Amino acid sequence: DVKVTQSSRYLVKRTGEKVFLECVQDMDHENMFWYRQDPGLGLRLIYFSYDVKMKEKGDIPEGYSVSREKKERFSLILESASTNQTSMYLCASSFLGQGRGQPQHFGDGTRLSIL
Amino acid sequence: AQRVTQPEKLLSVFKGAPVELKCNYSYSGSPELFWYVQYSRQRLQLLLRHISRESIKGFTADLNKGETSFHLKKPFAQEEDSAMYYCALSSISRNEKLTFGTGTRLTIIP
Repeated sequence: DVKVTQSSRYLVKRTGEKVFLECVQDMDHENMFWYRQDPGLGLRLIYFSYDVKMKEKGDIPEGYSVSREKKERFSLILESASTNQTSMYLCASSFLGQGRGQPQHFGDGTRLSIL
Repeated sequence: AQRVTQPEKLLSVFKGAPVELKCNYSYSGSPELFWYVQYSRQRLQLLLRHISRESIKGFTADLNKGETSFHLKKPFAQEEDSAMYYCALSSISRNEKLTFGTGTRLTIIP
């Protein structure tokens, strides 16, 4: 069974802090994704990565950066946290398929509060 | 640009009644569509995808290219179907990027 593990379920940080969210997957997936989930807005893609050291911006990358130094680990970084980044953050991974249709596997999420 | 619309934020259905969760999409190419579900206190998980043409937990979804819809249906609702449901569209790129709808919270009334 695929396992996507996010390092924290709940996190509280202060405005201006640099925040790291970590995600690890154990299925040798090429693709990894970071989303934020907000009521009424659904899931919005922040960044994704299809290989080590490769990254692409999603729909809402402003205020975030990512790091993928190893295939199994994908980190989301809030460079200077702000209150509007209070949200649920979801990590996902998937195989790099020959075509489309590869399902994404999600972690439990990290509920981040910025005070 | 690709877009997924789920017009209902909330949907309440009596147990045993039919369920239909609506999903419409806009996409210039040939779409790959999915339904994901999140039960209370559980992680988001794949429910079904249109290329598989399968029925999962009694749910089916048919891709209607003419109406650009991918509605999720179940003939007889069960209490355990209460959850948040997201429709998603896969990008044409090889990276399997998904565009999600805003979700529908389904509540089954006993």
